[in-house]
Amino acid sequence: DTEVTQTPKHLVMGMTNKKSLKCEQHMGHRAMYWYKQKAKKPPELMFVYSYEKLSINESVPSRFSPECPNSSLLNLHLHALQPEDSALYLCASSQGSTGGQETQYFGPGTRLLVL
Amino acid sequence: AQTVTQSQPEMSVQEAETVTLSCTYDTSESDYYLFWYKQPPSRQMILVIRQEAYKQQNATENRFSVNFQKAAKSFSLKISDSQLGDAAMYFCAYWYTGTASKLTFGTGTRLQVTL
Repeated sequence: DTEVTQTPKHLVMGMTNKKSLKCEQHMGHRAMYWYKQKAKKPPELMFVYSYEKLSINESVPSRFSPECPNSSLLNLHLHALQPEDSALYLCASSQGSTGGQETQYFGPGTRLLVL
Repeated sequence: AQTVTQSQPEMSVQEAETVTLSCTYDTSESDYYLFWYKQPPSRQMILVIRQEAYKQQNATENRFSVNFQKAAKSFSLKISDSQLGDAAMYFCAYWYTGTASKLTFGTGTRLQVTL
């Protein structure tokens, strides 16, 4: 089973709202990722969690706050977003084993619209 | 820095025909992986095929196969017997076995499948 689930599928929020995106995997993977994808562009890496610790932050604005409560869950907390943050947010996971193959499996994404 | 180049923004193929999508990459690493991901309009990124750089044999997954030319840093995807469901954006991606490694994507090729 290579399933990564994401909720919600769609989200509309105002610039003053606080919302959260959720990602879950049950493949025993120890690395999880958040990507942002604009239309007709490749995904851009935002954050990487390895063994539940933040290992990479690609200089993402503080209005995006990631959280990894356990090895199966990854959240992205959103606050005071801007209209340009509207995008598809993808979650992915991989085995996380050092030196091993790092095939990433992606979730279906959350389509975010900031008004 | 590693880069991935997909020089064909759009391609078209007739149903049941064969099409080849091009990808070149630049790296100084010797141990790495290459991937093709498919993203249909439903937006989920789906792993199509994976190639380990240390393997000379080209990877094959059913109707999908790659032509991996390590010296030329080329990694093309061949889709045989094209089906309507193959219509999607295809991303070539690179990952090397190092700490803090990130998946590097090409800009994508949009494939249309016509009757």
